[in-house]
Amino acid sequence: AQTVTQSQPEMSVQEAETVTLSCTYDTSESDYYLFWYKQPPSRQMILVIRQEAYKQQNATENRFSVNFQKAAKSFSLKISDSQLGDAAMYFCAYRSGGNYQLIWGAGTKLIIKP
Amino acid sequence: DTGVSQNPRHKITKRGQNVTFRCDPISEHNRLYWYRQTLGQGPEFLTYFQNEAQLEKSRLLSDRFSAERPKGSFSTLEIQRTEQGDSAMYLCASSTTGSHSPLHFGNGTRLTVT
Repeated sequence: AQTVTQSQPEMSVQEAETVTLSCTYDTSESDYYLFWYKQPPSRQMILVIRQEAYKQQNATENRFSVNFQKAAKSFSLKISDSQLGDAAMYFCAYRSGGNYQLIWGAGTKLIIKP
Repeated sequence: DTGVSQNPRHKITKRGQNVTFRCDPISEHNRLYWYRQTLGQGPEFLTYFQNEAQLEKSRLLSDRFSAERPKGSFSTLEIQRTEQGDSAMYLCASSTTGSHSPLHFGNGTRLTVT
């Protein structure tokens, strides 16, 4: 069975600095997708970034980028120039190709220090 | 695109009462998901619809839980004879078909059973 592990329950970063959130996963499949979702306090879960396993190039969305290491089964999220609005729970999620189910990590709480 | 809408936002009920939540997905999305989330945890999968067909129901979902999506549009989640352990945030999400398709979440319904 696939699993997703986020080993950092909480991270803090100074505003304007860079932070990296870790995610590892376990799978025997070759076709899958990885996602990072953000859930601000009392607000809805939104997609931050996604990565297709077949793509070697790391996904980037403005200040958010991933470091996808397929052999190591690692999918970390880098947030550059951290802003106060980035404070949230961040969840890493995995989905097999051809499947609908998302496997979720336990989340990392990101604190931004002004 | 008005996003995924969930009602009510909050529900407080006494143990033993029945409650029903509603989810209106994004109109062109044929997949609809219900999740349960407790504080500090990632979402737990409850059930999944493709159009009006309920294709999977988690073992977490006891017989007290039932979900419907009668015309493949909105969905309802009913909990009968609520228990204190049912207190949680109930999240609805929708997506198009395809493993690469991200989930779009609603704001959730927070249930408190007293």
